[in-house]
Amino acid sequence: GAVVSQHPSRVICKSGTSVKIECRSLDFQATTMFWYRQFPKQSLMLMATSNEGSKATYEQGVEKDKFLINHASLTLSTLTVTSAHPEDSSFYICSATAGREQFFGPGTRLTVL
Amino acid sequence: DAKTTQPPSMDCAEGRAANLPCNHSTISGNEYVYWYRQIHSQGPQYIIHGLKNNETNEMASLIITEDRKSSTLILPHATLRDTAVYYCIVRWDQGGSEKLVFGKGTKLTVNP
Repeated sequence: GAVVSQHPSRVICKSGTSVKIECRSLDFQATTMFWYRQFPKQSLMLMATSNEGSKATYEQGVEKDKFLINHASLTLSTLTVTSAHPEDSSFYICSATAGREQFFGPGTRLTVL
Repeated sequence: DAKTTQPPSMDCAEGRAANLPCNHSTISGNEYVYWYRQIHSQGPQYIIHGLKNNETNEMASLIITEDRKSSTLILPHATLRDTAVYYCIVRWDQGGSEKLVFGKGTKLTVNP
């Protein structure tokens, strides 16, 4: 199957700082990418849908000014958590569509101290 | 909200078949049934999907009832590496742009 990578795999930051997470489709072009968040022992929650060259569509309750998404090319989408706080600590996962399928990245573990 | 109902957990002996049920009684005619699994601290992995016919691939088989209100994912010979949370998702297939809504899934534990 198609490969999606995320960088970094884990990050620890201080409260108030911003963190950028990259999601790349390695061997295919993805017009649509999705960003999910997963808290411990919970399911994945969709945060936003990212389309190349246009503004992301955020799910209800997700602050677009706090979670900045940029999908500048067909192989790269970035999620920036601005002014991170401990409650933003979570497992962030992206996915990219290839044809009818969605392929998921390995996830990024964010810990905000 | 997820449109599916799955048991929260199941156990299976290594080497035996694992049969994971899913109820999707409100599924509409143009919605597919997708199965993904998530091994601890990893991203979800696609397993299989189907519309109304039974499907089989190298990972699993998908059995969909005739009324399409439920389905069963079958792992024919479960191994320890199949221990994961399995998600059954109903999705309107629009060429990949339609989002996936994850429910709570079934935590499958394969025991030696």
